[in-house]
Amino acid sequence: AQSVTQLDSQVPVFEEAPVELRCNYSSSVSVYLFWYVQYPNQGLQLLLKYLSGSTLVESINGFEAEFNKSQTSFHLRKPSVHISDTAEYFCAVRSIQGAQKLVFGQGTRLTINP
Amino acid sequence: GAGVSQSPRYKVAKRGQDVALRCDPISGHVSLFWYQQALGQGPEFLTYFQNEAQLDKSGLPSDRFFAERPEGSVSTLKIQRTQQEDSAVYLCASSLTRIERGNSAEQFFGPGTRLTVL
Repeated sequence: AQSVTQLDSQVPVFEEAPVELRCNYSSSVSVYLFWYVQYPNQGLQLLLKYLSGSTLVESINGFEAEFNKSQTSFHLRKPSVHISDTAEYFCAVRSIQGAQKLVFGQGTRLTINP
Repeated sequence: GAGVSQSPRYKVAKRGQDVALRCDPISGHVSLFWYQQALGQGPEFLTYFQNEAQLDKSGLPSDRFFAERPEGSVSTLKIQRTQQEDSAVYLCASSLTRIERGNSAEQFFGPGTRLTVL
């Protein structure tokens, strides 16, 4: 079984400031890791994913996440946020074998203040 | 070229009523998932279909919950005798291929149906 912990339920930051959203997971088997974003009144959208290879993965809108196997973490970072980044962010894992379901964290609400 | 659609977007039911929630996956997508998202929580898995076969229903919280996908396309999640604890957003997701070892097969999510049970 897997579990995901997002340590911060809310993160307020000022526009153009850096941000880090933390994610730790627990699993007895190897997993794929994902970050999803949910804008107000919209469905979940995949932001980025780690499957294998380089532990640093990037999205097209400036976010990046680094897989750290020893610390079982997959923190999301952005060096300079914009108002449009205001959303709920969910970290998720999926076993690479067996169960196909995604296991999500509780989410982190990112609020950007001008 | 539309994404995953769900209907209705909002549903208000009186306790004890039956409800049916519909999901139209992306055309050609083999895999379909249902998740339940309670207020302030992350989505939680309910059930999974590969074509018309329901391969995993381990997340269904009680026998009041029933899902089907008879022709391998549209899916319906039915909740019988709704209770207040059933109030949540119900999310549907689909993916193109069968999810197998070594294939992450991105799941595309619909906007969800917000169910409120009074």
